[in-house]
Amino acid sequence: QKEVEQNSGPLSVPEGAIASLNCTYSDRGSQSFFWYRQYSGKSPELIMFIYSNGDKEDGRFTAQLNKASQYVSLLIRDSQPSDSATYLCAVFSGGYNKLIFGAGTRLAVHP
Amino acid sequence: DAGVIQSPRHEVTEMGQEVTLRCKPISGHNSLFWYRQTMMRGLELLIYFNNNVPIDDSGMPEDRFSAKMPNASFSTLKIQPSEPRDSAVYFCASSLMEWNTEAFFGQGTRLTVV
Repeated sequence: QKEVEQNSGPLSVPEGAIASLNCTYSDRGSQSFFWYRQYSGKSPELIMFIYSNGDKEDGRFTAQLNKASQYVSLLIRDSQPSDSATYLCAVFSGGYNKLIFGAGTRLAVHP
Repeated sequence: DAGVIQSPRHEVTEMGQEVTLRCKPISGHNSLFWYRQTMMRGLELLIYFNNNVPIDDSGMPEDRFSAKMPNASFSTLKIQPSEPRDSAVYFCASSLMEWNTEAFFGQGTRLTVV
């Protein structure tokens, strides 16, 4: 089992819809969880981080964390074509004391 | 701060040659990471340093890869000898390595081994 798993996609959604991106992790000692966005040919950049169970909202983005289920998700409301990118889930693993990334989910928002 | 700076941005080399990638982390950050990204395997952690000391190099694929951090402002990743399967984008990232702080990435080095 990989330490951080994501569906590779592509996830295709129409403009204006909600995009839902999911991530599971294996280390129960994980303390914090990050969502990065990576445009083609560019480096990853942070969108949000979350470390408490529940939801955290920032503009059109909502991160959701369920530590019991070892599951973290990112919702993008009112999706725009400019949101088309690869979204990387990253987990700070307390057990391993390092930042581990999933392989990423490619999102395509079509007009 | 200019952010994490990597050089070169692009490198094309012949199989068997030595390749050295360079990274300057953000000033004040105490942790530095080297990642490799390919379409097949995604973003893989190769090695990371904390306070210039290598903490975990379990991601280094084989002995042909080595990394150093002689001081807080500079790190290198060396491949000797290089092979075509090493072709990838190599990212360097730095952070304060607290549990709730983000890692900042450099622009990456696109390596092509022919």
